[in-house]
Amino acid sequence: GAVVSQHPSRVICKSGTSVKIECRSLDFQATTMFWYRQFPKQSLMLMATSNEGSKATYEQGVEKDKFLINHASLTLSTLTVTSAHPEDSSFYICSAPGTGINQPQHFGDGTRLSIL
Amino acid sequence: ILNVEQSPQSLHVQEGDSTNFTCSFPSSNFYALHWYRWETAKSPEALFVMTLNGDEKKKGRISATLNTKEGYSYLYIKGSQPEDSATYLCALVSDAGKSTFGDGTTLTVKP
Repeated sequence: GAVVSQHPSRVICKSGTSVKIECRSLDFQATTMFWYRQFPKQSLMLMATSNEGSKATYEQGVEKDKFLINHASLTLSTLTVTSAHPEDSSFYICSAPGTGINQPQHFGDGTRLSIL
Repeated sequence: ILNVEQSPQSLHVQEGDSTNFTCSFPSSNFYALHWYRWETAKSPEALFVMTLNGDEKKKGRISATLNTKEGYSYLYIKGSQPEDSATYLCALVSDAGKSTFGDGTTLTVKP
């Protein structure tokens, strides 16, 4: 079945560092990918939709300059948390939509980001 | 903002018990509902795609029902096993393809 690879799985870094998270579709092409954030004991919150060849669509309240999204190719989307601070510590997970609008998403394994 | 609620938040059962949990959502403009199973340190895995009122889907010991008129879906697990321990997520899908997730129900099955 379709596989999405997300890397790294865990990042621990100092405040002020920028962190890049990669999301790759391994055996299929994804013109769209979703980026979610999850706070402890809360649901997956959609941050943005990345679109190959065009700008990402951000959800209300998500800072575009803080969370830079680039969909460089049909198999790669990246999320860069710029100048990260402790409040950016969270679990970030990407997904690619299934074929057909009713089909479920294919998720990466997620990235646990800890900013010291 | 769509409100998708799952209950209970967590559930502890003994091996062999049958269990069920609920996903509630706004009944207007329903398009689709997805159930996912999320094991620790793994990615969420799709269980069911529910689209029609009255849908009943089954995969082994796990089944799901859908009532779009009253805005809920039930997930049932018959004869729970320790390997069923996971967080079960439901997601309401819009006609634009965006998913709104519930907080999940975390199931722990004790041997």
